[in-house]
Amino acid sequence: ENELTQSPGTLSLSAGESATLSCRASQTVNYNYLAWYQQKPGQAPRLLIYGASSRATGIPDRFSGSGSGTDFTLSITRLEPEDFAVYFCQQYARAPFTFGPGTKVDIK
Amino acid sequence: QVQLQESGPGLVRPSGTLSLTCSVSGGPIDSNLWWHWVRQSPEKGLEWIGEVYHSGTANYNPSLNNRVTISVDKSKSQFSLKLTSVTAADTAVYYCARVPDGGYGPFDYWGQGTPVTVSS
Repeated sequence: ENELTQSPGTLSLSAGESATLSCRASQTVNYNYLAWYQQKPGQAPRLLIYGASSRATGIPDRFSGSGSGTDFTLSITRLEPEDFAVYFCQQYARAPFTFGPGTKVDIK
Repeated sequence: QVQLQESGPGLVRPSGTLSLTCSVSGGPIDSNLWWHWVRQSPEKGLEWIGEVYHSGTANYNPSLNNRVTISVDKSKSQFSLKLTSVTAADTAVYYCARVPDGGYGPFDYWGQGTPVTVSS
């Protein structure tokens, strides 16, 4: 099983600032099959990024993904009030598909 | 717009069987798509349970120790989850989700989730 870890656990920022979230895999994620999701309380996760760097349909360009191999990053520029949420990474290169524990971006 | 909706009992007795159904609307169930179950709990976070193809081919997370069966009913545009011998550790919010394009892909559509509690 490819275990994913995320850092930091919590990121406290103000609207308008930028966020950098990290996801590290215990094994290489083949083909960069790495996705990022946003989850708000009481809601299902929402796909933001797939293939490590491709934005899903309707996702604003202030969200960007990068990385390869075992180290991946989600960047959010100019945080909007609706961006304060929990963010998860997920690898879909090899079953069992696994998720990271999440990074909470909250309001400072 | 594709929509997924979970349904089933919110309370299951220990050692019993958890049974949930996901209804798919707004799109086909029998195209080149895989249908998944994922659960989320404070203790384990997000955990992939398994997947099924419209042909009935299914794959499961080994961590669930052969307790899982996922099946599909194309005539009803539904797929289902059965988890046997449940314990309190199976208490979670259960989501159904879709993976497009033949299998190895992200979850692009999710149901809203249904909470299931295992308790006597």
